[in-house]
Amino acid sequence: QSVLTQPPSVSGAPGQRVTISCTGSTSNIGSGFDVHWYQQLPGTAPKVLIFGNTNRPSGVPDRFSGSKSGTSASLAITGLQAEDEADYYCQSYDSSLSDVVFGGGTKVTVL
Amino acid sequence: EVQLLESGGGLVQPGGSLRLSCAASGFAFSTYAMSWVRQAPGKGLEWVSDISESGRNTYHAGSVKGRFTISRDNSKNILFLQMNSLRAEDTAVYYCARDMIVGGHIVLVARDAWGQGTLVTVSS
Repeated sequence: QSVLTQPPSVSGAPGQRVTISCTGSTSNIGSGFDVHWYQQLPGTAPKVLIFGNTNRPSGVPDRFSGSKSGTSASLAITGLQAEDEADYYCQSYDSSLSDVVFGGGTKVTVL
Repeated sequence: EVQLLESGGGLVQPGGSLRLSCAASGFAFSTYAMSWVRQAPGKGLEWVSDISESGRNTYHAGSVKGRFTISRDNSKNILFLQMNSLRAEDTAVYYCARDMIVGGHIVLVARDAWGQGTLVTVSS
């Protein structure tokens, strides 16, 4: 049971927009701690997509965007492409646990 | 090019010990905090440990506190993870990762570079 809750899977057709939610609580996201998002392609290491809630590292397409409100955050992928099929994870910090925490991960399938 | 290369994984019996290493290159290692993150087979990511740039400050997840120790050798650009009293639930791919320099406490930031991982299997 992850501290941050993500849907196990989302899917969409090429070109569509999908969103992945990351729901936390008042001891993590709701306390103002930043949320970061990672993409993990099959058989590879994770790669940072969004840091500090809304910021994209250089090289990450602007099809990826992040947002945060209250005790939740979201990752949106617009113009979905076949190469976006991967697992996506959110990360934050939990002050009750004093631990860095990850969501359970969401598998994105391009139909 | 930033490179992180983990080594030291393998099969170990429950209760045993293992030391992982991560050789860093392509960046000023001593100016970055570093992390270990693990992923059990078919499961999600789990943070293990963090260490400050100098090595003076370390942080460990509750699940490994008292059993694992993170350290670094800035003269050789190597990150370590000493794992003692290993349990079956420690079986995972262990990734070495670099913490972003964006200000704020190191446990709050994203990890912007990752190694390919090394597999640790704890089994009798």
